[in-house]
Amino acid sequence: DGGITQSPKYLFRKEGQNVTLSCEQNLNHDAMYWYRQDPGQGLRLIYYSQIVNDFQKGDIAEGYSVSREKKESFPLTVTSAQKNPTAFYLCASGGLGLTNYGYTFGSGTRLTVV
Amino acid sequence: AQSVTQLGSHVSVSEGALVLLRCNYSSSVPPYLFWYVQYPNQGLQLLLKYTSAATLVKGINGFEAEFKKSETSFHLTKPSAHMSDAAEYFCAVSPNAGGTSYGKLTFGQGTILTVHP
Repeated sequence: DGGITQSPKYLFRKEGQNVTLSCEQNLNHDAMYWYRQDPGQGLRLIYYSQIVNDFQKGDIAEGYSVSREKKESFPLTVTSAQKNPTAFYLCASGGLGLTNYGYTFGSGTRLTVV
Repeated sequence: AQSVTQLGSHVSVSEGALVLLRCNYSSSVPPYLFWYVQYPNQGLQLLLKYTSAATLVKGINGFEAEFKKSETSFHLTKPSAHMSDAAEYFCAVSPNAGGTSYGKLTFGQGTILTVHP
């Protein structure tokens, strides 16, 4: 079955560490997105990519980096520059002309700073 | 530019009662509108969508929503709440650019629905 896989489900980071969250899709979608979710703040867009080897900053890109070397994969790195990284991170994908069908979401990664 | 406002961060209903979750949008172009549901520690699941066809949209689990352009609203309703409806609900808007754009979804702040027995 097609879908989006995020891993790991839970991740713990020490102060000053970089960590990478994985997002893989087999839906043949061109566009992929990373959102951060905090209680009471909805979903905020971190980065998005509409084609391989290209990506754009979203509303809260500072302290994060991404790559899009393959259509299926869009990993997110939370760097030590991100001051408050503890959050629930959601990856999503969508296709050209398919925004009328919305996005498909992964099951999320909960990141905690220890 | 587009934005979504969900009125009420928490809504509480009794089992069997009407569910009404409010969403107002702002968009400079004709919008696509969506409702998503999220259960704890899970991703978002699409409930229903408005894509400029019928203004009354029926979704999964007995939910429906009506697009009212004059009121810029897209409220979510369900005639009779069930305990399993307890979750967080998100309204989202995307520009209607037909088949020429990926668009971007802009989400509301979310509404947590509690269902009492």
